[in-house]
Amino acid sequence: EPEVTQTPSHQVTQMGQEVILRCVPISNHLYFYWYRQILGQKVEFLVSFYNNEISEKSEIFDDQFSVERPDGSNFTLKIRSTKLEDSAMYFCASSFFYEQYFGPGTRLTVT
Amino acid sequence: KQEVTQIPAALSVPEGENLVLNCSFTDSAIYNLQWFRQDPGKGLTSLLLIQSSQREQTSGRLNASLDKSSGRSTLYIAASQPGDSATYLCAVLRDNYGQNFVFGPGTRLSVLP
Repeated sequence: EPEVTQTPSHQVTQMGQEVILRCVPISNHLYFYWYRQILGQKVEFLVSFYNNEISEKSEIFDDQFSVERPDGSNFTLKIRSTKLEDSAMYFCASSFFYEQYFGPGTRLTVT
Repeated sequence: KQEVTQIPAALSVPEGENLVLNCSFTDSAIYNLQWFRQDPGKGLTSLLLIQSSQREQTSGRLNASLDKSSGRSTLYIAASQPGDSATYLCAVLRDNYGQNFVFGPGTRLSVLP
């Protein structure tokens, strides 16, 4: 069964560094999303992407964040100048229409 | 602003019991509601999706119901098994103007052998 994949599974970075989290959505899906989950807290929406542009973003998704679909398969989340509070699990999801399928997540640890 | 709550926060039951997990949302203008399972440190596995026009969906031992007007959904798990132990999340998608889910905090379920 097709699935969403994410790399790396765990990323450790120093405060102030840039990180890129990578996702490969399900191949025929049209909508792509990033969510995050800080340890012990709710899953929170960051951004949705459709037709090569951001369709919606939350107040969390500020200028520190950017998304890109550099080719026909990958979908990336870039976090510039990471902060301690960016430590979280980041989930990518994709959907053909409304049912979203989530990847296994990337655990980001900022030290 | 849509708020989603789940009761109980944690539940421990002996194997074989039938159980109900509850989800409430404040804004009834939803497009659909999706139930997920999350194992510790893992991603989210979709269990059931209910469109706003539907009242329930079933998959195996799972049955999810939706009462949009009262802002409630329930997930019924029949004949629970230790392998059902996980955190169960509900998420609502607001009307089809938006694409982002609003998640509840989850119910942590432990099924004891």
